[in-house]
Formats: sequence, structure tokens, C-alpha cells
Amino acid sequence: KQEVTQIPAALSVLEGENLVLNCSFTDSAIYNLQWFRQDPGKGLTSLLLIQSSQREQTSGRLNASLDKSSGRSTLYIAASQPGDSATYLCAVRLIQGAQKLVFGQGTRLTINP
Amino acid sequence: SQTIHQWPATLVQPVGSPLSLECTVEGTSNPNLYWYRQAAGRGLQLLFYSVGIGQISSEVPQNLSASRPQDRQFILSSKKLLLSDSGFYLCATDRGLSTDTQYFGPGTRLTVL
Repeated sequence: KQEVTQIPAALSVLEGENLVLNCSFTDSAIYNLQWFRQDPGKGLTSLLLIQSSQREQTSGRLNASLDKSSGRSTLYIAASQPGDSATYLCAVRLIQGAQKLVFGQGTRLTINP
Repeated sequence: SQTIHQWPATLVQPVGSPLSLECTVEGTSNPNLYWYRQAAGRGLQLLFYSVGIGQISSEVPQNLSASRPQDRQFILSSKKLLLSDSGFYLCATDRGLSTDTQYFGPGTRLTVL
């Protein structure tokens, strides 16, 4: 059974700092890995999607990497801003039962001015 | 681009009462549709998914049910709510391709008292 773990559960940094969020998964049989952002009381917003054949994806200040063989992904946020404060979730799409995403518990990020 | 509507946005219901949550999707045809629940302090749990009208797959045995009466409409129901049904319910969609991004609606906050 696929398990997705995100560490740390919560992170607080000062504005302007660079930071890394971690995601690990137990089964490398995945189609892709997706990073989402969730603001309090809101739905999920897709940030980046990395196909299993890719190593990384970039969007603005965000860079996500994928090491499928070791079951790890990182989300790097450069020059953090207070507006980046949110919960960040990673999810893997399984090869078996391809419709399903399996989510981690998320990392709650706070950027302090 | 796809837009997902969910209503109501918030709902407070007594134990034992019925439930009907609605999700509609715009900007796509023949989408895959999903219902997730996010309970306090827990990750997202997939409840149901549908690949077409009248086709529903259940992921978790429970007192909830789902229906898809139209191509872009997905309904989550219960005949008698339990306290444990409280949570944040999210509808999601994708095109059914294994490489796809999954898009989420704004969610419905359900409190069962």
C-alpha cells in the first residue's frame, strides 16, 4: 500500500529565506507526483506536476524535484514571501488504479515578515 | 480552462439528517470526477470517483453514496449523517489521463452536531 509522508509537519521562516519541503513515498510505481497549495478553508491549487520520467519542474520561484528510485520529492521555494503562507501537499498518482491520487498530510508553512 | 462549483459552501446538520452536496464542472466534457474528504488533522481521503454518467466507484465503505446524473454533475449523499461525517468535502476533476493534473473545487465545510 502506497504511503506518502511529508516532513516537517509545520515550518516557520522569515521572509526572504529560501526553504525546502520534503515528500517521500513508499512505492515507486507512480505516473506522476503533484504539489498543491491549500489556503485555510479553501480548495487545493495545483502548483507543479512532475511526470515519472522527469527530474524536476519549475514555475517562478518554485522548483520541484523527483527521485523516483529513492521515493523522494522536494519543493524548493526561493525568496519566500508572506503570501506563500499556506499548507503544501504532495500527491502521487498510482500506476495501479490510475485514477487515484494518494496524498501526504501536508506541511503548514508560515512566512513571517 | 476548467471551473468547479460546489455548494453549499458551509453546512451544519444534526445527526441522523440527510445530506446532499453538489459539484458541477465547466469547461470540459466527459471528465473524471472525484469526491474527497479532509477531516480535521488528517489528510485527504478519496471517497468516490466516476469515469462516466452512472459509473461510480467507492473507495471507502461508509454511509455515504455518490451519483452522477449528468456528465458534469457529481452528487454526494447520505440518508442519515453521523458525527464522523464532519469534515471538508472537496470535488475534483481531471481528463482521465494518467499524466493529468487534478483540479479541485472550493469545498464544502460540513459540521454534524
